[in-house]
Amino acid sequence: AAGVIQSPRHLIKEKRETATLKCYPIPRHDTVYWYQQGPGQDPQFLISFYEKMQSDKGSIPDRFSAQQFSDYHSELNMSSLELGDSALYFCASSSGLAGRSSTDTQYFGPGTRLTVL
Amino acid sequence: ELKVEQNPLFLSMQEGKNYTIYCNYSTTSDRLYWYRQDPGKSLESLFVLLSNGAVKQEGRLMASLDTKARLSTLHITAAVHDLSATYFCAVDMQGGRGSRLTFGEGTQLTVNP
Repeated sequence: AAGVIQSPRHLIKEKRETATLKCYPIPRHDTVYWYQQGPGQDPQFLISFYEKMQSDKGSIPDRFSAQQFSDYHSELNMSSLELGDSALYFCASSSGLAGRSSTDTQYFGPGTRLTVL
Repeated sequence: ELKVEQNPLFLSMQEGKNYTIYCNYSTTSDRLYWYRQDPGKSLESLFVLLSNGAVKQEGRLMASLDTKARLSTLHITAAVHDLSATYFCAVDMQGGRGSRLTFGEGTQLTVNP
C-alpha cells in the first residue's frame, strides 16, 4: 500500500539559512499534519491542514510557515534556521472520507532529518 | 492543557515475560492511539481505541481504554526481542478534522534474550 512520502530524507543547513520540506500524503487522504521530534523526545505537533485550509496550529515558530496545495501535498518552509531546529520532522496524513466514525488514524511518513550547523 | 503521561519510561524485560505500559491523560477524550517507533524511524500505528472499554489485540500486544479513569494500557504477553522499540500513546482531544495528537513521553522497551 502507498505510504506518506517525504523529501528530502536528510538535510544539512547552516544557521540562518532556509529549508523547505515536502510531504506527499497517502492517495485520497485530505488532511496533512506536521510534527517535530527532537532527540529522545516525543513528537510535537506543529500545524495541520484539511482540504487545503489550516486546521489546527501548535507550537510552530513564526519563522516557519506551511501550506497545502491543490494536489494535497504540503510544504513546510523554515527560515532563519537555528541550531535548536535540528530534529526529525514528520508529516502524517489521514482521510476524512469516512467521516468522524472512522478511526482518523494519522499515518506517518519516514521523516526528514534536519541538521543545522 | 492536555497532558499525557506514560509509565514506565524505560522498561527492560526478559523474553517470555509479561508486562503492562500505562498511559494517563488529563482531560476528556475518547480517541486514543498507540504507536511504535524504532530508533530513527517513523511511527507505526498499532491500535486505535475509540470508546470506553475498547480492547484491541494484535499478536503479543493488547491495548485497552478506560475513558472514565482517563487510562489506557498496553499489555505485552510473552515478550520477544522483536518487540524492542519505543511505544507512544497519543490522545486526540479535540476530535475535529485535522486535530492534533498529543503524545506521551514514550516507553523505551528492551527485551533481552
